Amino acid sequence: QKEVEQNSGPLSVPEGAIASLNCTYSDRGSQSFFWYRQYSGKSPELIMFIYSNGDKEDGRFTAQLNKASQYVSLLIRDSQPSDSATYLCAVSRGSTLGRLYFGRGTQLTVWP
Amino acid sequence: DTAVSQTPKYLVTQMGNDKSIKCEQNLGHDTMYWYKQDSKKFLKIMFSYNNKELIINETVPNRFSPKSPDKAHLNLHINSLELGDSAVYFCASSQDGKPQHFGDGTRLSIL
Repeated sequence: QKEVEQNSGPLSVPEGAIASLNCTYSDRGSQSFFWYRQYSGKSPELIMFIYSNGDKEDGRFTAQLNKASQYVSLLIRDSQPSDSATYLCAVSRGSTLGRLYFGRGTQLTVWP
Repeated sequence: DTAVSQTPKYLVTQMGNDKSIKCEQNLGHDTMYWYKQDSKKFLKIMFSYNNKELIINETVPNRFSPKSPDKAHLNLHINSLELGDSAVYFCASSQDGKPQHFGDGTRLSIL
């Protein structure tokens, strides 16, 4: 059973702070790592993906991957109330057949 | 110009009925998926088709039958609906292992 673990939260941060979301995975064969954001009642929306060890930055978002520790994280800088959502970590072996394993998500609340 | 569209958005029906959900993508992707998201928000894959061929079939009751008439469409038929089938069902698509794009979901409620 390939597992993806996330802290369920809720994680609550003030506006302007850095929100840090963490994810660990059990399958050492995992090659592709994704962060999806899901607002209540909406569909998952891709916000970041990372394939190589290290950091990847896109605007206020930074994804960090450490394959040796089987750990992937998402940092949100200058958090805004509009960032309040559930963040889903997903991993796959990266084949063309793309089976994704999702964590249960971390609920983030950014208060003004 | 919705990328992945599902119909219907809401489905309320009685136990024992048979229902279908349809999905279409206009992204030109060759792989499509069905996911189930339960009340605790856990998103789990059910099926995947690549170029109309079934490639992933998770441990799902055989009351659920997917069908892909072409690579842009993936439908899900459910027989003899049970209370435990109440969930949100998401369709998604991707190309060559790249990130998956999700539809808006179908909220199925069994009375």
